[in-house]
Amino acid sequence: GIQVEQSPPDLILQEGANSTLRCNFSDSVNNLQWFHQNPWGQLINLFYIPSGTKQNGRLSATTVATERYSLLYISSSQTTDSGVYFCAVWSNFNKFYFGSGTKLNVKP
Amino acid sequence: GAVVSQHPSRVICKSGTSVKIECRSLDFQATTMFWYRQFPKQSLMLMATSNEGSKATYEQGVEKDKFLINHASLTLSTLTVTSAHPEDSSFYICSAYLAGGPYEQYFGPGTRLTVT
Repeated sequence: GIQVEQSPPDLILQEGANSTLRCNFSDSVNNLQWFHQNPWGQLINLFYIPSGTKQNGRLSATTVATERYSLLYISSSQTTDSGVYFCAVWSNFNKFYFGSGTKLNVKP
Repeated sequence: GAVVSQHPSRVICKSGTSVKIECRSLDFQATTMFWYRQFPKQSLMLMATSNEGSKATYEQGVEKDKFLINHASLTLSTLTVTSAHPEDSSFYICSAYLAGGPYEQYFGPGTRLTVT
């Protein structure tokens, strides 16, 4: 299967700071998504981004498929951004592979 | 946007009993749904792929007789945990994508199972 690695595993920020989360994957993929898992366990779709760059408010993401990585940018972080961020990729094997996640804690 | 629901959101059952969890795509058809399991502070682990009208495909190490999956319609898949034991306690999450693609996954809110 495909290996998906996320870094850093843990991140502590002061409110208002910016951050970059990284996702590396070991093989070609057809789809890549970023999720935020809230304290109740719900996975919130952030981006569907197999390639290119997208922005949604304070969040943006870039996937460079040829170099097998994706970045999630969070600007002007807020305490509500806290939680776990997952990267997941869809392969030719018709499976969705998840990274181990980045746990973000934004302090007021 | 596409919405996936799960029911129940939380269930407590006694050891030896069976529990059924439903996963529904509310506003789209899904020929394929996925079932995941998540342990505390860990990532999601794919358990099985549920295909409408055919048998589910289980991941290595997942007991198909313990975790029965039925995908009877284009909007409903069910996971039945049979003869549940405390070690089956976990957070179970389903996902689906629109029939015909793209492969953007939409996740249900999850079901927290506690076996006493």
